[in-house]
Amino acid sequence: KAGVTQTPRYLIKTRGQQVTLSCSPISGHRSVSWYQQTPGQGLQFLFEYFSETQRNKGNFPGRFSGRQFSNSRSEMNVSTLELGDSALYLCASSGGLLDPTDTQYFGPGTRLTVL
Amino acid sequence: GESVGLHLPTLSVQEGDNSIINCAYSNSASDYFIWYKQESGKGPQFIIDIRSNMDKRQGQRVTVLLNKTVKHLSLQIAATQPGDSAVYFCAETLATNQAGTALIFGKGTTLSVSS
Repeated sequence: KAGVTQTPRYLIKTRGQQVTLSCSPISGHRSVSWYQQTPGQGLQFLFEYFSETQRNKGNFPGRFSGRQFSNSRSEMNVSTLELGDSALYLCASSGGLLDPTDTQYFGPGTRLTVL
Repeated sequence: GESVGLHLPTLSVQEGDNSIINCAYSNSASDYFIWYKQESGKGPQFIIDIRSNMDKRQGQRVTVLLNKTVKHLSLQIAATQPGDSAVYFCAETLATNQAGTALIFGKGTTLSVSS
């Protein structure tokens, strides 16, 4: 079974621009979560989507948004990019059960650099 | 083997030694804990998990110990190999009623194994 895939793997943008990142979950998984990883803050939860609805949200500004499609694929968007948005953005998929043992499997991430 | 009682950002061991990586978690209400391994250029990879009603769980060459009294988690790796070199993260989940689960990650520990 194929793992979680993320595109693109690397991205360079300038301040003020916007960016869209894509995630394809493991086949059969219905939940997609997004995380930001930086050297200073570590891994931080952005949001989770299930059945095309945002089910949970972390503490990030409204510039960070996402959506999920009927095939469970998800995109996240960051508008008005800031230098501090430079990070590795990770997507994780799971079955979507409201059970903490529903393991999340991570993709390789998209490395975003904001200049 | 090398054992540390507090979280350290790095741990260096010799091949064949036993490694112990420690983690302090934040929320006494968390009921599920996971250890992830992240190799350079990759997303976190699930290693082993434990529920809050257990205090020990063993996998292949790995053991996780949970001490809820002091909110402490540890990962023991037996006969450490060069391929174990990576950053290790503990994570806790907060299943929030009808909302989804979000992983709260601890600070990582970089394990370096020399042969």
